[in-house]
Amino acid sequence: GENVEQHPSTLSVQEGDSAVIKCTYSDSASNYFPWYKQELGKGPQLIIDIRSNVGEKKDQRIAVTLNKTAKHFSLHITETQPEDSAVYFCAATTDSGGYQKVTFGTGTKLQVIP
Amino acid sequence: DTEVTQTPKHLVMGMTNKKSLKCEQHMGHRAMYWYKQKAKKPPELMFVYSYEKLSINESVPSRFSPECPNSSLLNLHLHALQPEDSALYLCASSQGFSYSHGYTFGSGTRLTVV
Repeated sequence: GENVEQHPSTLSVQEGDSAVIKCTYSDSASNYFPWYKQELGKGPQLIIDIRSNVGEKKDQRIAVTLNKTAKHFSLHITETQPEDSAVYFCAATTDSGGYQKVTFGTGTKLQVIP
Repeated sequence: DTEVTQTPKHLVMGMTNKKSLKCEQHMGHRAMYWYKQKAKKPPELMFVYSYEKLSINESVPSRFSPECPNSSLLNLHLHALQPEDSALYLCASSQGFSYSHGYTFGSGTRLTVV
């Protein structure tokens, strides 16, 4: 089955600096890579995603890159703000008989220091 | 409506109690999921319903019983739980295929078994 590794497990940055979270996956059948942000006491929220036929995607301060050959994908947050503090999960997805089969990474706790 | 609504938000139950968790979405999603999340861990898949039929049961103990009464509703019936079942229980929904969008999660039910 799919295996997703995520690094680092914790990340502290000064407000205004950039943050980078990296993930690797193992199953070449995975074709969709969402990133979820989970704030304390809440459910995960999808913040950005990328499909296997795309190398990079950007949405304001957030960008995601995918290297399909190396099976690597990364989340980049620029100009970090205190409200970016949360746990971030990467995920690799395959389509399977009418539902999405998702394998989550282990999570990165991001702390933005004002 | 782009939300998944879960009730109750908090639940404390004894080991001999019977209770139910409820999940509702009106986005027309045909896949619905139950996840269990322990502190500082990624969500762990329990059940998947696709077009109102149970597609996946990840070897979940029978004290957890899912039900999908219609395409908008998902229930999780709880009976004779153990203290180690205390966790955040998340419901999610999605289209059947990832070409449209990933999961939409609810805010979860924080369950404590005493």
